[in-house]
Amino acid sequence: EVQLVESGGGLVQPGGSLRLSCAASELIFSGYWMSWVRQAPGKGLEWVANINQYGSEKYYVGSVRGRFTISRDNAEKSLFLQMNSLRAEDTAVYYCARVRTISNYFDYWGQGTLVTVSS
Amino acid sequence: QSALTQPPSASGSPGQSVTISCTGTSSDVGDYNYVSWYQQHPGKAPKLMIYEVSKRPSGVPDRFSGSKSGNTASLTVSGLQAEDEADYYCSSLRVFGGGTKLTVL
Repeated sequence: EVQLVESGGGLVQPGGSLRLSCAASELIFSGYWMSWVRQAPGKGLEWVANINQYGSEKYYVGSVRGRFTISRDNAEKSLFLQMNSLRAEDTAVYYCARVRTISNYFDYWGQGTLVTVSS
Repeated sequence: QSALTQPPSASGSPGQSVTISCTGTSSDVGDYNYVSWYQQHPGKAPKLMIYEVSKRPSGVPDRFSGSKSGNTASLTVSGLQAEDEADYYCSSLRVFGGGTKLTVL
């Protein structure tokens, strides 16, 4: 089955850390760029980070650069997002998605995991 | 890069056609045929509906079509059905529009 399943969300205090995981099926993970996209409550979509199929190229939106780190384990078919120095404005549902580079469209999405940053 | 501009809402009656616009700049929408559209029902993940301006992924009904003119891309939903009621987002070069809530009257 073609799927992406996120986990690791939860409630964290400002300044804290959280690590998100995304388990992927072989068909949609191996050999592809992957992304994290987030959606604040009641708001629109925002691209957060990309990683290439080898894990050697990584790109971030400016608001998270230096605080978040995207990574992947190809053997385990898993994508990760390490989030440090979390802020209230990072509160959102975080989606794992496969991204088709050059055209930059997201063709497969997970169900999302909610991250709440609050004291 | 600034967010793409979409109208906050659109509506139509069953069977009618509705078009949602997405305005960018000559550096994104206007310069590349890399516009995609996503449908999102409440509490659900986004779903790819259109990519590269006008291409439909397998399984997306041909009632959904995309086009572009200059710096503005458009999504047209023909023969509106109740299940088309959702939020729709455009995207170009990893930047999303603010979303349009489509209501089927």
